Amino acid sequence: QSALTQPRSVSGSPGQSVTISCTGTSSDVGSYNYISWYQQHPGKAPKLMVYAVSQRPSGVPDRFSGSKSGNTASLTISGLQADDEADYYCCSYAGSSTWVFGGGTKLTVL
Amino acid sequence: EVQLVESGGGLVQPGGSLRLSCAASGFTFSSHAMTWVRQSPGKGLEWVSCLAAGGVPTYYTDSVKGRFTISRDNSKNTLYLQMNALRAEDTAVYYCAKGLSGSCFAPFDYWGQGTLVPVSS
Repeated sequence: QSALTQPRSVSGSPGQSVTISCTGTSSDVGSYNYISWYQQHPGKAPKLMVYAVSQRPSGVPDRFSGSKSGNTASLTISGLQADDEADYYCCSYAGSSTWVFGGGTKLTVL
Repeated sequence: EVQLVESGGGLVQPGGSLRLSCAASGFTFSSHAMTWVRQSPGKGLEWVSCLAAGGVPTYYTDSVKGRFTISRDNSKNTLYLQMNALRAEDTAVYYCAKGLSGSCFAPFDYWGQGTLVPVSS
């Protein structure tokens, strides 16, 4: 299972929107809607932000939204806030009850 | 409140063994799949293994098959990872994570704080 491809870094100013892409293959992202996104602050455990492509767990602001087209999933964060600065990881079901993560994207809020 | 607390990490020599534990509370442990995910120092997340709610089936990433064994004791609300024949590349923080449902199809909605396993001579 090869890791999903994410940009190493993205940045934006407070109030702006940013989109993080996550590219896989027809064997993972392209075949399933089991796409999730995790936020990880330095030294902390990951936190589920989006699952099933576009569903948000209770407590996650609607500033976080997910989508998918073909073999690429995306996480959009609107109205950027300082606390959004973190690493973000996508994750896709890859068949046979296995999962594959992306390499992670560092979001910097300027 | 959901809590997951890992323990059992520590320095181990290549070829050695270690058993990690994850004590769960705040939810019906027996109804949820449980997963181990690891993160090498300064690196990204890597899915390691999943165990469905009832104790079977089990699933592993290719690099740990035959060396790691995931198990659970639903009477103790505890998840385990027995790691044998450890290699330097197994060095990582190991997180346990709760599945959103009883199946290993489910994403991971709560994570523990992790336990560090350095493999070095």
